[in-house]
Amino acid sequence: EPEVTQTPSHQVTQMGQEVILRCVPISNHLYFYWYRQILGQKVEFLVSFYNNEISEKSEIFDDRFSVERPDGSNFTLKIRSTKLEDSAMYFCASRPGAGGLAKNIQYFGAGTRLSVL
Amino acid sequence: AQKITQTQPGMFVQEKEAVTLDCTYDTSDPSYGLFWYKQPSSGEMIFLIYQGSYDQQNATEGRYSLNFQKARKSANLVISASQLGDSAMYFCAMREFRILSGNTGKLIFGQGTTLQVKP
Repeated sequence: EPEVTQTPSHQVTQMGQEVILRCVPISNHLYFYWYRQILGQKVEFLVSFYNNEISEKSEIFDDRFSVERPDGSNFTLKIRSTKLEDSAMYFCASRPGAGGLAKNIQYFGAGTRLSVL
Repeated sequence: AQKITQTQPGMFVQEKEAVTLDCTYDTSDPSYGLFWYKQPSSGEMIFLIYQGSYDQQNATEGRYSLNFQKARKSANLVISASQLGDSAMYFCAMREFRILSGNTGKLIFGQGTTLQVKP
């Protein structure tokens, strides 16, 4: 069964460093998302990406954050100048965008736990 | 603004019994979708069930069913015949479908309910 793949599963970085979180969405999906979950809290939307551009972003997604789909398969989230408060689980998700009922369903990866020290 | 409320921080259920996890929502959009996801202790988010606002029947997926009461704006998840593997955090989420600039289907999540199944 196709799945969303995220690497690494755990990333540790020093405050002020840059990190890149990687995702391989399901191959025929058209819409891509990043969410984050601070430990013990609810899942929060960061950004959506469609047709090779950002289509919506939240207040959390400030100018330190960027996303890219460099090669048609990978979907990356880059965080520059990391802060302690960036520590969270980051989830990538994708959805088909076409094809009946399933077009609305977002499938999530297993997440990358980011620890900023 | 859209909002999801899950009022049960934690629930216990005896193995093989049914359990209902509550979810209420608020939206001004007549067209929306409601989702439930399961998050086991390993952390991944697993899609369970989906209900569209115009669907006439309540959604079912195996042991999961969604008790959709549109007038009350509630979308409770019912798990029948609970199993030990059902112990996890459960999130209710919503997506509005209206066509707005930049609206490409983000999900808004509730706070989650931790379910523990007792043997």
